[in-house]
Amino acid sequence: SAVISQKPSRDICQRGTSLTIQCQVDSQVTMMFWYRQQPGQSLTLIATANQGSEATYESGFVIDKFPISRPNLTFSTLTVSNMSPEDSSIYLCSVEDGTAGNTIYFGEGSWLTVV
Amino acid sequence: DQQVKQNSPSLSVQEGRISILNCDYTNSMFDYFLWYKKYPAEGPTFLISISSIKDKNEDGRFTVFLNKSAKHLSLHIVPSQPGDSAVYFCAASVNGNQFYFGTGTSLTVIP
Repeated sequence: SAVISQKPSRDICQRGTSLTIQCQVDSQVTMMFWYRQQPGQSLTLIATANQGSEATYESGFVIDKFPISRPNLTFSTLTVSNMSPEDSSIYLCSVEDGTAGNTIYFGEGSWLTVV
Repeated sequence: DQQVKQNSPSLSVQEGRISILNCDYTNSMFDYFLWYKKYPAEGPTFLISISSIKDKNEDGRFTVFLNKSAKHLSLHIVPSQPGDSAVYFCAASVNGNQFYFGTGTSLTVIP
């Protein structure tokens, strides 16, 4: 199984600032995903990040608000820009392990609180 | 449009008894299904999966059943333990592409 490290694990952010979340995987993976889970809601896919191409964003999410980098097959970042209290959420990085029946694995999450 | 639905937001079960978590889906193209367990303030943990070519998959205390005609899957936990108390998400995909998640069922196992 893939081991995923996310940083920061938790942060309190000021309104209007931006924060970059890092995701490091212990093996090379083609597809990486960024999810959000707001309080009381299900996991929501923000975007899919494939190495060497622009991230693909889901409806309701835009690159200006959530810029993503994917410089290589083991690393990705998600930036939450110009934060508001509505962005308070757990942000999760996940990868798809094609060798394990397309199972996806999640990082431990980054719990952001915007004040 | 919610393609994967978990209609029970919560479930309470006595320790030692069976926990049954249910999940319904609408897309008949889904061919791979997974269950995840999530503790508060942690990322989801993969629990068990099943391919659409099977109707049952068992791993220790956890068994997943798939009823394709009814577009329904369920997770059975036997016997339930207090440490099983968590939110359980079912997920589905087509060919391992985008995964669709249910809204979760919060399981409480009462000692």
